[in-house]
Amino acid sequence: DIQMTQSPSSLSASVGDRVTITCRAGQSISTYLNWYQQKSGKAPKLLISAASRLQSGVPSRFSGSGSGTDFTLTISSLQTEDFATYYCQHSYSTPWTFGQGTKVEIK
Amino acid sequence: QLQLQQSGPGLVKPSETLSLTCTVSGGSFSTTNYYWGWLRQPPGKGLEWIGTIYYTGSTYYNPSLKSRVTISVDTSKNQFSLKLTSVTAADTALYYCARSFWSEYSWFDPWGQGTLVTVSS
Repeated sequence: DIQMTQSPSSLSASVGDRVTITCRAGQSISTYLNWYQQKSGKAPKLLISAASRLQSGVPSRFSGSGSGTDFTLTISSLQTEDFATYYCQHSYSTPWTFGQGTKVEIK
Repeated sequence: QLQLQQSGPGLVKPSETLSLTCTVSGGSFSTTNYYWGWLRQPPGKGLEWIGTIYYTGSTYYNPSLKSRVTISVDTSKNQFSLKLTSVTAADTALYYCARSFWSEYSWFDPWGQGTLVTVSS
């Protein structure tokens, strides 16, 4: 199985801050990387596929980058509704695995 | 708008079989490159992929659960189902169904509402 490691596990930030979350794969996965947002008590929501493809309806303040083993999710200006837990997931080969999550909290 | 509605018991006894069903509405169930998956999330923990099925019945399972998992599909009802046998407390989790796009790339979107399944006597 390909291990996905996110950092940090949690962070505190203020509205308007630029936030960056990192995801590292245990082996090269090209750009087979997705990002999800999960708000408390809700199902995950797909934000970004193929490392950098923003899903329809997702605000442009979200962006993804990276290839190989290192990836980042960036929120350019954090909004109130962005406080949530974010997960990366590889789709390089089955079994698909997720990172452990990064919880973004209000500072 | 595609919607996935989960159903099934929230309490299962140890050693018994967990059974959940996901009913799809608002969109096509049998579309090329769209698959249907089950995932789970133990309380306070991360996400785990359980398995995926195509409308033709082809299945793909996580090797860590493969010996206990069966995913089936009923295209006449736009439903797919999960069975997990010989459950233990470690199988207590929030279970999600989701649509999976799977071509060169794959992802899960959208997801069902989730069903908390507790394994307890």
